[in-house]
Amino acid sequence: ELKVEQNPLFLSMQEGKNYTIYCNYSTTSDRLYWYRQDPGKSLESLFVLLSNGAVKQEGRLMASLDTKARLSTLHITAAVHDLSATYFCAVDIRKGGSEKLVFGKGTKLTVNP
Amino acid sequence: GAGVSQSPSNKVTEKGKDVELRCDPISGHTALYWYRQSLGQGLEFLIYFQGNSAPDKSGLPSDRFSAERTGGSVSTLTIQRTQQEDSAVYLCASSPQWRSTQYFGPGTRLTVL
Repeated sequence: ELKVEQNPLFLSMQEGKNYTIYCNYSTTSDRLYWYRQDPGKSLESLFVLLSNGAVKQEGRLMASLDTKARLSTLHITAAVHDLSATYFCAVDIRKGGSEKLVFGKGTKLTVNP
Repeated sequence: GAGVSQSPSNKVTEKGKDVELRCDPISGHTALYWYRQSLGQGLEFLIYFQGNSAPDKSGLPSDRFSAERTGGSVSTLTIQRTQQEDSAVYLCASSPQWRSTQYFGPGTRLTVL
């Protein structure tokens, strides 16, 4: 059974600081997503990582993928309050003609002034 | 353009009643997914539709759950004889083709009393 583990699950940080969220998964996949969820809201796509060594950046967030290590990271640079949200990684799994996303449990990020 | 829409946004029902949840995907998207989000289980895959192919129902938790997609567009998730453990947020997502980014709707919050 595929497992997707995120850590930490809770992260409280000060504005201006840097931090990294880790996402480990237990089976091979060549596609990994990061989503953001604000309280009471749905999931917003942030990044899709398609190959080993892929790196994507948007503003203060940068995501990377190492398919050999089965590890993705989401790095936060100089955090600001607006980044407070829950972040999910999700591994794309194909089986036959079907596909689905398997999600980590999420990292709840709180950025304090 | 219009995103994925779901209705109702909230549904409160009594144990043992049947409920229907509706999803309108983004126009032109051929793939449609249902997921469930609960505190205890996180985000779980339920069912996948792709075009006219047979759906992948492998994530449905019991035979009380069923889903259909009419005309390759709107989908309805039906839960019969609801139980308290069915309480969750039910999220629908669509994507333009197989193995591309899934765009999520706002969800239906189901509460079973």
